[in-house]
Amino acid sequence: QLQLQESGPGLVKPSETLSLTCTVSGGSITGSSYYWGWIRQPPGKGLEWIGSIYYSGSTYYNPPLKSRVTISVDTSKNQFSLKLSSVTAADTAVYYCARQVKSGAWPRWSDYWGHGTLVTVSS
Amino acid sequence: EIVLTQSPGTLSLSPGERATLSCRASQSVGGSYLAWYQQKPGQAPRLLIYGESSRATGIPDRFSGSGSGTDFTLTISRLEPEDFAVYYCQHYGSSPFAFGGGTKVEIK
Repeated sequence: QLQLQESGPGLVKPSETLSLTCTVSGGSITGSSYYWGWIRQPPGKGLEWIGSIYYSGSTYYNPPLKSRVTISVDTSKNQFSLKLSSVTAADTAVYYCARQVKSGAWPRWSDYWGHGTLVTVSS
Repeated sequence: EIVLTQSPGTLSLSPGERATLSCRASQSVGGSYLAWYQQKPGQAPRLLIYGESSRATGIPDRFSGSGSGTDFTLTISRLEPEDFAVYYCQHYGSSPFAFGGGTKVEIK
């Protein structure tokens, strides 16, 4: 059974960089049929796709966040990571990692999700 | 950029009733590149439907999806107590892969 687990600080100061890691177990991150993505959800609000990465390093980012986001992959550890720079209170959210089925060159639907981790931006 | 609008915002129904949820795109998503997710409080979203009408593994057949282009529908034929939750649509035809704002299905 595939499992994804987010980890990282739950509190980040304004203007600093948010860093999260997603550890994948029960399957390989180098599977050719999948992308790996990050989605976030501010408290009481809807879902926002942040970006996705293929094991080769190919990425897609949501344009409003693109200048601040870096998603990377470490195949040796079966992990992928999110860095979001210059955070503000508006970046406070539950951050989810997910597996996304690859079809053609694109990530498509998310079929496995982590439980999510709340990151609060506050001084 | 494609914007997804879900309606209604809240649907108040009784167990056993039929639920019809709408997801409308600001432009064609390119065929049937749409998924539906269910989210319960404190939980991660769960994939229900992808490719417009394909059910994910383990999803009961009371859930069905339809539509193409700009108009999509999620139907729950007979609501079970565990179906009361928030439902999101998401398109994946082109980046950015946006979500709709969600429809809450609540017990009447």
